[in-house]
Amino acid sequence: EDQVTQSPEALRLQEGESSSLNCSYTVSGLRGLFWYRQDPGKGPEFLFTLYSAGEEKEKERLKATLTKKESFLHITAPKPEDSATYLCAVQLVPSNDYKLSFGAGTTVTVRA
Amino acid sequence: NAGVTQTPKFQVLKTGQSMTLQCAQDMNHNSMYWYRQDPGMGLRLIYYSASEGTTDKGEVPNGYNVSRLNKREFSLRLESAAPSQTSVYFCASSIWGDYEQYFGPGTRLTVT
Repeated sequence: EDQVTQSPEALRLQEGESSSLNCSYTVSGLRGLFWYRQDPGKGPEFLFTLYSAGEEKEKERLKATLTKKESFLHITAPKPEDSATYLCAVQLVPSNDYKLSFGAGTTVTVRA
Repeated sequence: NAGVTQTPKFQVLKTGQSMTLQCAQDMNHNSMYWYRQDPGMGLRLIYYSASEGTTDKGEVPNGYNVSRLNKREFSLRLESAAPSQTSVYFCASSIWGDYEQYFGPGTRLTVT
């Protein structure tokens, strides 16, 4: 069965302490891998789309990378405002419903 | 430009009652989706509409119906609410099915 697993479940960082989140997937065909940020009580906010192994995307202190079986979200010198739950999702090929299969998320807390 | 809007934000129902969750987007997107989010289970697709005039079942459609009213609006109806439908419901939209999805703020539904 296709599956998306995120680790760790929770990550507590000191401000400025860089770290990485992992998203591993066991799918038969990947159309795209998406990263979202979700703040408490709000909807997921789109961050990145990655389509092929070796691809990288950056936005401020966040950098997402993709290999054939996993993706990493690197947070460089995080600030307290980077505290959120980060979700990854995969979209498969072929896909008639275009659904995103989500992982359970990694909750990041950055302390000042 | 409000993006994706949802109403209501909160709702409490008694078992057996019915209600409709409303969703609208102003981004001229063609595809729209309804997800539910439960603790520890991630987001799961209930129904989707690949384009105006079409709707299809997702991963967990039982107990729900949808209507794509026009290009902007996509509603989700619970005909006879059950406690198992207590969840947070998110509407999302995308330009087409294989592009990134943008989410609304969610509706928090409790069924007693």
